[in-house]
Amino acid sequence: EAQVTQNPRYLITVTGKKLTVTCSQNMNHEYMSWYRQDPGLGLRQIYYSMNVEVTDKGDVPEGYKVSRKEKRNFPLILESPSPNQTSLYFCASILRVKGAEQYFGPGTRLTVT
Amino acid sequence: GENVEQHPSTLSVQEGDSAVIKCTYSDSASNYFPWYKQELGKGPQLIIDIRSNVGEKKDQRIAVTLNKTAKHFSLHITETQPEDSAVYFCAASIPEYGNKLVFGAGTILRVKS
Repeated sequence: EAQVTQNPRYLITVTGKKLTVTCSQNMNHEYMSWYRQDPGLGLRQIYYSMNVEVTDKGDVPEGYKVSRKEKRNFPLILESPSPNQTSLYFCASILRVKGAEQYFGPGTRLTVT
Repeated sequence: GENVEQHPSTLSVQEGDSAVIKCTYSDSASNYFPWYKQELGKGPQLIIDIRSNVGEKKDQRIAVTLNKTAKHFSLHITETQPEDSAVYFCAASIPEYGNKLVFGAGTILRVKS
């Protein structure tokens, strides 16, 4: 079954404690992306990756890092989380064809206290 | 950059009635316009999309219309059912950034039975 998986699904942490949210897809998609969803703001892109070892900033990259060492995995790293990073995070993947469907993971709800 | 506005933010309809959600975009170069449905606790899922060379597309009870001159597109759901209750997002694609999607803020649709 074609899918995007994220772990963990829920995470409560404290300010400054480094964390990683994993994302994996089994569709051999080149393009992967991270979004955060906040009420009234829709989904905003954090980082994206066109292919292995190719990553770039989205609209709200501050406070986040990513890596793309393998095609299937695209982890999101928060080196020093802050309360304003409390949000719902989604990973997505897509075939590298303009206008192709994006597949979203189930989401990770992060709370930073 | 691209900006997508979505209205209304909430919409309540009686079961069997029609629902219409409207979006406007700012970048005339955008050429791909998907609509996503997000159910509680799940990631967004593509329900219909339209490309800039098409004015209207239908899929059973769902249709999308696009007016490139006015830079707006709309989602139409006919004969609404309780299972249509969800959050709906429109998005526009920026071709020069590959598959980057810019999302509207979302519409909460409630179908009352």
